[in-house]
Amino acid sequence: DVKVTQSSRYLVKRTGEKVFLECVQDMDHENMFWYRQDPGLGLRLIYFSYDVKMKEKGDIPEGYSVSREKKERFSLILESASTNQTSMYLCASSFLDRGFYEQYFGPGTRLTVT
Amino acid sequence: AQSVSQHNHHVILSEAASLELGCNYSYGGTVNLFWYVQYPGQHLQLLLKYFSGDPLVKGIKGFEAEFIKSKFSFNLRKPSVQWSDTAEYFCAVAPNFNKFYFGSGTKLNVKP
Repeated sequence: DVKVTQSSRYLVKRTGEKVFLECVQDMDHENMFWYRQDPGLGLRLIYFSYDVKMKEKGDIPEGYSVSREKKERFSLILESASTNQTSMYLCASSFLDRGFYEQYFGPGTRLTVT
Repeated sequence: AQSVSQHNHHVILSEAASLELGCNYSYGGTVNLFWYVQYPGQHLQLLLKYFSGDPLVKGIKGFEAEFIKSKFSFNLRKPSVQWSDTAEYFCAVAPNFNKFYFGSGTKLNVKP
């Protein structure tokens, strides 16, 4: 069974703080993703990574950065948290299986910025 | 830009009613299509997927979806819903096989 874990289920931070969200997958997947989930907007891709030390911007990268130093770990960084980054953050991983990709999701981190 | 539309934002049904949730996408090439479900307090999990072959695909828990290429649609169906189907449902399209685009989600409430 694929397992994607996220470091915290709930997090409360203050405006201006630097925030680290950690994600670990245990299935040696090449690809990892960070999304944010907001009511009525679905999931929006922030950043993704195809390999160690490689990253690509998604649809809403502003205010975020990422780090992938090891294959199994993908970190999302909010350099200076703002209240509009209050959201549910989902990590996912995927690999190529029989010609297509399927994404496996972690449980999410609900971040509140006050 | 790619887009995925789920027109029903909130659906309320009684148990045993039939369900159909709409999903339309805007990409014209070959796509992989998915429905994910998120039960209250749980993580997103795959319900079913389509990438080629029979356009009618069956998933877990009695769900099925039909891919209609001419309509750019991938609607989710279940003949008889149960209270345990109460969840949020997301359609996703992967036009380049790895980058996914998600719809805004449909919240389903099934009344016992």
